[in-house]
Amino acid sequence: EDQVTQSPEALRLQEGESSSLNCSYTVSGLRGLFWYRQDPGKGPEFLFTLYSAGEEKEKERLKATLTKKESFLHITAPKPEDSATYLCAVRNTNAGKSTFGDGTTLTVKP
Amino acid sequence: ETGVTQSPTHLIKTRGQQVTLRCSSQSGHNTVSWYQQALGQGPQFIFQYYREEENGRGNFPPRFSGLQFPNYSSELNVNALELDDSALYLCASRNGAANEQFFGPGTRLTVL
Repeated sequence: EDQVTQSPEALRLQEGESSSLNCSYTVSGLRGLFWYRQDPGKGPEFLFTLYSAGEEKEKERLKATLTKKESFLHITAPKPEDSATYLCAVRNTNAGKSTFGDGTTLTVKP
Repeated sequence: ETGVTQSPTHLIKTRGQQVTLRCSSQSGHNTVSWYQQALGQGPQFIFQYYREEENGRGNFPPRFSGLQFPNYSSELNVNALELDDSALYLCASRNGAANEQFFGPGTRLTVL
């Protein structure tokens, strides 16, 4: 069974203090690893898809990387508006569903 | 381009009742998935519909059922509501061949 574990559960940063979020996964055959941002009471907002080890994607202050067992979401010089829960999910080659982790809640203080 | 929409936004029901939640998929998307998200947890896959047929189901009992219509909109029906069914219900749509799925804003269901 596919599994996704995210750490830490919560992260508090000062504005401008860079850090990384971790997503460890096990999947029988990776069709894609996804990162989403979720604001309180809202649906997840798609950020990135990664397909194979070594791949990197960037968007503004966010960069996602992928290895065979983990993905990292690096946040460079975060701003208060980056505060949200960041979700990681995997989809395997045999299933249409995505398996999600429980997320990392990021708080960025001004 | 219209994104994924869901209705209603909020719903309060009592234990034992039945509920129907609705989802309109993003234009051009023929695959709809439903997820249940309890507070503080990640979304849990309920089932997926592709061209009006269910083609994947998570670990949810048969009292969770669904439909997809010819215009690819979808319904989630839950019978015999239990207190633990209180959650945010999310609908996501994608083009069948694509990996990326896009979520609606969710329906917050409270069961008393």
